[in-house]
Amino acid sequence: GQQLNQSPQSMFIQEGEDVSMNCTSSSIFNTWLWYKQDPGEGPVLLIALYKAGELTSNGRLTAQFGITRKDSFLNISASIPSDVGIYFCAGERNAGKSTFGDGTTLTVKP
Amino acid sequence: KAGVTQTPRYLIKTRGQQVTLSCSPISGHRSVSWYQQTPGQGLQFLFEYFSETQRNKGNFPGRFSGRQFSNSRSEMNVSTLELGDSALYLCASSQRVSGGLGRSTEAFFGQGTRLTVV
Repeated sequence: GQQLNQSPQSMFIQEGEDVSMNCTSSSIFNTWLWYKQDPGEGPVLLIALYKAGELTSNGRLTAQFGITRKDSFLNISASIPSDVGIYFCAGERNAGKSTFGDGTTLTVKP
Repeated sequence: KAGVTQTPRYLIKTRGQQVTLSCSPISGHRSVSWYQQTPGQGLQFLFEYFSETQRNKGNFPGRFSGRQFSNSRSEMNVSTLELGDSALYLCASSQRVSGGLGRSTEAFFGQGTRLTVV
């Protein structure tokens, strides 16, 4: 089946630092999605990417859809304590059916 | 606008029993997807319903089933529960302007139902 490799698995950073995480796949996806999940909550969509090469920003977050359609990255600039959580990438070939990465757990030290 | 509502929030069942979980999507959303989240396997897609029809299906055994009603509310059922079915079950709703292949629209997740099988 389709597998997503998300890295790193976890990150411990100082407040104010920039963060980068990425996902790679052996399969092509038509859509890449990035979510954040807080404890006890469902994932919340941060950024959606629909075209190869697309670069999209949402505040301090920037994500790109890889040219090969097999990868995507998410950058967070100037991290703050509330950025703590688990970040998931997800790829879609068919709308409504997402394949998720294993998540990146982010810890931000004040 | 009310968010996605999943009931119950927590559930404890015994092996061999069956369980039904409910998901009420955001008003106007016709697509409901279900996911299982476990520490070992992560988030895995179960199935997706659109206008009362199952559009996509993941790789889960037939013990896992679902349905969608005319008001877009959805239920999923797990029969003959196993210990390994313990998980957080999440549903997500979206407007999904077209069925099958097509551009994804923003999906909103509920808080999930935490199922524990003992």
